[in-house]
Parts: sequence; C-alpha cells; structure tokens
Amino acid sequence: GAVVSQHPSRVICKSGTSVKIECRSLDFQATTMFWYRQFPKKSLMLMATSNEGSKATYEQGVEKDKFLINHASLTLSTLTVTSAHPEDSSFYICSARSRLAGTDEQFFGPGTRLTVL
Amino acid sequence: LAKTTQPISMDSYEGQEVNITCSHNNIATNDYITWYQQFPSQGPRFIIQGYKTKVTNEVASLFIPADRKSSTLSLPRVSLSDTAVYYCLVGVLTGGYNKLIFGAGTRLAVHP
Repeated sequence: GAVVSQHPSRVICKSGTSVKIECRSLDFQATTMFWYRQFPKKSLMLMATSNEGSKATYEQGVEKDKFLINHASLTLSTLTVTSAHPEDSSFYICSARSRLAGTDEQFFGPGTRLTVL
Repeated sequence: LAKTTQPISMDSYEGQEVNITCSHNNIATNDYITWYQQFPSQGPRFIIQGYKTKVTNEVASLFIPADRKSSTLSLPRVSLSDTAVYYCLVGVLTGGYNKLIFGAGTRLAVHP
C-alpha cells in the first residue's frame, strides 16, 4: 500500500527558531501534497496545497511567510515554520495524492508534534 | 465544497454494529463520499469511499440513499480498537485536485 512518512515525528524548539518538517511519499509519486494542522480534540484544518514545481496555495488565514512550503520533487514536500511561537504548537499532518491512473486517494502521514517553548 | 454534519460522539459496546450517519445536503453531482478514521496522535486512515447505493470492503460498509444527501458508515462487530474519530468528507474524485475539508468528525467510544 501507499505509505507517507513524516520527519521528525516530534520536535521541541525554542520560541523564535525555525522548524522544518518533511513529508515523503515512499512508494508512489505524488502530484499534490497537502498540509494540515490539528489542535487537541479538534479536527484537521487544511493549511495549504502544494504541487510539485509550483508555489503552494494557502488557505485563507494561513500566513504564507510564516509557513513556508517547498515541493521540490514528486516524493518530497517540506513545511518550515518560521520564527515559531508557542501558539504554533500543534500536530502537523501531511497527505499525498497519488498520480496513479484511476485513483485519487489521499494518503496521510503519521503527523509531527511540534512544541514551541 | 459540500458541508457535512455528523454526530459529535457515539458510544457502543464490543461486538455491536455501529452506524454513523453523515448529512451532506449540498452534495454536488460529481462528489464522492469518503470516510476516514483517526486515532490519537496519528494521521487519518482511509476507510471506505462511495458514490451511490452500497459499498462494502473488509472493514466497513457504506450506505448511500438515492438522493445522496446523507450516508451511513456501518462498522460490524466493533472492538475496543475501533475507538477513534471518524470523519465523513465529500469532494470531487477526479479532475483537478481533491481538496479534503474535514468536519468535526464523530468520536466513537467502544466499551468492554
């Protein structure tokens, strides 16, 4: 089956630092990758959509200069939380959309728990 | 994108059948209905997807009436490990990208 990995699984950083989270599709090529954030006991909130080789499309209310997304290849997308603050502490989840013909299923990564002190 | 409405929470016991209904009154002609399961501190996991009538796989069944304004996820003989949050989503399957917008989900608690 299609597998999506995220690295790191959890990270703790000091306020003001930047944190990079990687999302990889391990056994398939992803035309599109999505980034979500999830606060405790809440649903997933879509942050942005990234297509390989082009700029990410951000959802309303998400600061593109704060959350930098790079989708350099068909198997890798990165999310960088710049100048992180405690309110950025959250569970960040990526998903990848397979480009296989006849399927449009999205596969989710295991998530990254970010804690900003 | 069609808005979905689900019960906030449900309780069940091991061995029972659980049915979770989702309302999506504004579903569009090209929209498919997809259900995901999420355990704490994990990414969502695909359960089942359908367009109309009934779909069944090894873990669940999905019932969709003719008007497609609602759908019911059926979990046969639940176990403690089925305790999770279940999300119902509607969206376009093919053509363009499928932007999944998650609703509040249904928190299912299975008791011994």
